[in-house]
Amino acid sequence: GDSVTQMEGPVTLSEEAFLTINCTYTATGYPSLFWYVQYPGEGLQLLLKATKADDKGSNKGFEATYRKETTSFHLEKGSVQVSDSAVYFCALRRMDSSYKLIFGSGTRLLVRP
Amino acid sequence: DTEVTQTPKHLVMGMTNKKSLKCEQHMGHRAMYWYKQKAKKPPELMFVYSYEKLSINESVPSRFSPECPNSSLLNLHLHALQPEDSALYLCASSPGLGAFFGQGTRLTVV
Repeated sequence: GDSVTQMEGPVTLSEEAFLTINCTYTATGYPSLFWYVQYPGEGLQLLLKATKADDKGSNKGFEATYRKETTSFHLEKGSVQVSDSAVYFCALRRMDSSYKLIFGSGTRLLVRP
Repeated sequence: DTEVTQTPKHLVMGMTNKKSLKCEQHMGHRAMYWYKQKAKKPPELMFVYSYEKLSINESVPSRFSPECPNSSLLNLHLHALQPEDSALYLCASSPGLGAFFGQGTRLTVV
């Protein structure tokens, strides 16, 4: 079945460091891919999305490129801030009528001042 | 209005109680979801409603009963829950691509 695999956390970085969180997926067809962020005690917020191969999603300095050849959608940010500390979830949605959204296990990011 | 609103934010209930969680969105989204999230885990899909009809039930125990009275509202009726059902319950809606989540209801079963 469809699945999403994320790198284990926590990822601990100093402020202004470069961030990469790896995400790979297994799916039939051409899913849409997403990154969500969850701050402590809150729901999930959609961070960015991509719907087809080579699409680049971007938002708030975060970027991810849909790589069909490597079935990957890695999240990157050039310079992280303490306020970026949160849990990041990679997700996919098959483009069928089910609307099913499948999440990876999540990666906790801790940014130290 | 780009919000998904969930009530209550916190709920404590006994194992013999009946309670309901409510979710509301006014974005005209065609799909609505219930997810359950345990601490330090990803959200687990419970139910999906598409055009007000139940389209996915992920083998959820019958003590959880969803209801979609109209295109803006989604309820989750709870009855005879167990302590292991304590979790954050998230509602989401989707226009077709991506999903917008509410802040969740933190449920504690005692």
